[in-house]
This record gives sequence, structure tokens and C-alpha cells, in this order.
Amino acid sequence: NAGVMQNPRHLVRRRGQEARLRCSPMKGHSHVYWYRQLPEEGLKFMVYLQKENIIDESGMPKERFSAEFPKEGPSILRIQQVVRGDSAAYFCASSQDRTGGNSPLHFGNGTRLTVT
Amino acid sequence: AQTVTQSQPEMSVQEAETVTLSCTYDTSESDYYLFWYKQPPSRQMILVIRQEAYKQQNATENRFSVNFQKAAKSFSLKISDSQLGDAAMYFCASLRNTPLVFGKGTRLSVIA
Repeated sequence: NAGVMQNPRHLVRRRGQEARLRCSPMKGHSHVYWYRQLPEEGLKFMVYLQKENIIDESGMPKERFSAEFPKEGPSILRIQQVVRGDSAAYFCASSQDRTGGNSPLHFGNGTRLTVT
Repeated sequence: AQTVTQSQPEMSVQEAETVTLSCTYDTSESDYYLFWYKQPPSRQMILVIRQEAYKQQNATENRFSVNFQKAAKSFSLKISDSQLGDAAMYFCASLRNTPLVFGKGTRLSVIA
């Protein structure tokens, strides 16, 4: 049973380009969460999606960032016109139900985005 | 809003010894969950242990145990018989029907 798969593992973009990060949740999981980790910091929540719906995007910047989780295919976190401050590790996590003590999060290995 | 505070940016422990990592949290809820995650250099987030707030008994997973003090809103992690493979960042996190909220982490070094 494959875990949460994120790709690419590393992504380098120049300022102004677009970054697309992909996440395939664990089999049977329909809830996906995206987190961002700045160097030497903990993970900060960005957005929570359930198939085809954004449930909570309170942690997502209003500009340039968007996320989707289509009926078929992986969840995508899209960052337009990247800036140096977007450099971070982006983690995806999934759960079978809305996360709780009985439905813990399973994390992917993250995508490290570097903006040059 | 929930907040999680880890006051020890770095800790070190001698191999085979015991170390305790501190965590305090703030929530107005009475029912919630607490977690410790380990992040080795590979960057993978590994769930170490979890605690339901309504349970008074402290959770234990092999060499890992917690000291959960609900009134004090404290949730420390004890690692016994420390091994070199325990070296990692450790994150405390809390959850109550909202996305998981993480502390800033404690970097644990294990000295051979």
C-alpha cells in the first residue's frame, strides 16, 4: 500500500515562473492537506481539500496560490509568479476521513521548492 | 485558535540515556488530540505517538512515552534508551476539528 506520493522531490524555478506541485494521497484517502515548512520552522497549514472541493483555505495566501483536487488524478498546488520568499518545503498529507485522532494524517516526503 | 509552543530549539542526549522534550499548547476546547512527529534529515514526517485529551492515561509506544498534564496544557515526550537513529527534528502538534497545528520543533542530537 503506497504512501502519500509527492513529486517532484526538488523543484527549481526562476522568479516569475510558475510552480506546480503534485500529491497523490494514499489509496482510499479522499482528504488532502497542504502544509508549508520554512527553514528551521514547523509546518504551517495552507489548504484542506476533499475530492473536487476546497474545505478550508484559511492558510493560503490570497494572491498567486491555488490548489485543486480533481475527481481523477492528484492534488495540485500551484504557485504563480514565484518569488524568493516562496522557497520552502511543501508537504502534502492525506487522511481517510476528516482528520482526527482515529483518522491520522499520513505525510508525503515533501517537495523542496527553490526560487532563484 | 490553537497554539503550540516548543521552548527548546535544540537538545542533546547520550546514547542509551533518556531525554525529555517539552511542549505546551493553548486551546479553549476540552476535547482534542495531541501528537509528536519526528522529521529525520530525509524530511519525512513520521508519527511517533498520539494522545487523546479525554484519556487520562499517558500514551506509550515502545521507548517513547508522553507526560500529558491537561490542566497545565503540557505534553512532553520522553525517549528512553536513546539510539543514534532517534536524531531528528521533533514536532509537537495539536488538533481539534481543524487542521493540525505544529510547534516550531526541537532538534535532537544523539551523542555516541
